[in-house]
Amino acid sequence: DSGVTQTPKHLITATGQRVTLRCSPRSGDLSVYWYQQSLDQGLQFLIQYYNGEERAKGNILERFSAQQFPDLHSELNLSSLELGDSALYFCASSVSWEGRETQYFGPGTRLLVL
Amino acid sequence: AQSVTQLDSHVSVSEGTPVLLRCNYSSSYSPSLFWYVQHPNKGLQLLLKYTSAATLVKGINGFEAEFKKSETSFHLTKPSAHMSDAAEYFCVVSRTSGGSYIPTFGRGTSLIVHP
Repeated sequence: DSGVTQTPKHLITATGQRVTLRCSPRSGDLSVYWYQQSLDQGLQFLIQYYNGEERAKGNILERFSAQQFPDLHSELNLSSLELGDSALYFCASSVSWEGRETQYFGPGTRLLVL
Repeated sequence: AQSVTQLDSHVSVSEGTPVLLRCNYSSSYSPSLFWYVQHPNKGLQLLLKYTSAATLVKGINGFEAEFKKSETSFHLTKPSAHMSDAAEYFCVVSRTSGGSYIPTFGRGTSLIVHP
């Protein structure tokens, strides 16, 4: 158990809908990262937050957004969903913002868009 | 720009024999390099990382990797495979620049271990 929790574990929704994925980092970790894993694209870095502020952006679509709250949990919002958004979404946390830090991954949220 | 290539999508070994998972990277900056393992229906777990200290890096579960700058490689090895090593392995290159962390993942290598 990494100490990172993600909810829900599974999500089934329809095209055009909006969903919110939630992540709670390990106790003491200030950084949260979001990743998307799909068969087509592999594992892709989406976005990083550190202590409530956006720190880095990867291949995140404009339809997607994220935020980190004062209690350090984070939410990833996916809107106008398309079939191709079906994927496993991971969050990870680390102590600081540096790329050399060990990241601890949650178990993921599996999203299926029908 | 940075990229990472895992040279084999699948590697099959017998239990007790050596494991070699190959990774080549490209980076304009001094990179940090990582190997992660993902067991079925689980999140990723860090095996080891290179961050410009010793070039031979020892990780968990008997894995190690050697950073070879001249060959731009960071291959993962283990002297003797165990059935529990069967999983997906990801090589990751990242750089920290201007306060941003930009990781790039390889496509993964599936390690199959035969009894």
